[in-house]
Amino acid sequence: NAGVTQTPKFRVLKTGQSMTLLCAQDMNHEYMYWYRQDPGMGLRLIHYSVGEGTTAKGEVPDGYNVSRLKKQNFLLGLESAAPSQTSVYFCASSYGGVTNEKLFFGSGTQLSVL
Amino acid sequence: GQQLNQSPQSMFIQEGEDVSMNCTSSSIFNTWLWYKQDPGEGPVLLIALYKAGELTSNGRLTAQFGITRKDSFLNISASIPSDVGIYFCAGQPHTGTASKLTFGTGTRLQVTL
Repeated sequence: NAGVTQTPKFRVLKTGQSMTLLCAQDMNHEYMYWYRQDPGMGLRLIHYSVGEGTTAKGEVPDGYNVSRLKKQNFLLGLESAAPSQTSVYFCASSYGGVTNEKLFFGSGTQLSVL
Repeated sequence: GQQLNQSPQSMFIQEGEDVSMNCTSSSIFNTWLWYKQDPGEGPVLLIALYKAGELTSNGRLTAQFGITRKDSFLNISASIPSDVGIYFCAGQPHTGTASKLTFGTGTRLQVTL
């Protein structure tokens, strides 16, 4: 009954370091998303994917890259971390088609960039 | 990007009390969603609304899609300690456009015994 699994749960980076966050879903969902959550703000979409091998930019894509080589996995990369990227990151997935607004979220990754 | 305004930002209530919160937008939405986020976890979908005026319940939770299509409301009856968390609304402008979901800033609910 895993659903959406994110790793790692916590990470501390120094400015300029790189890292990759991994998201895995076992529900055979077509769509996957990466959001960031900052205090006092709603979730903001970074990138998303509507199927294996596809990616698209969301509202706040700058400084991030993504890849969806397998349907069940969606990776979020930071090439050169900046303090402004300190946030909680959530991965989500959904079915394709008309019910794709029903998102299933992972438990989040707390990232601090010093 | 657009943000949805949720009210109140936080509330402290006693166990057994009813709770009301709302979400307003400057734009029209075709779908309204309500999520709950427990501490240290990701949001979980509570209720989805698809028609103006629609009233939908999920146990002690009842949500309504405002008739102007620019607002939505969530009520919790007879609150219990496990209702603690942050409640988010989300709006979608067109069916099948989850990438266009806009999330509210959240209402933090604290329940005292």
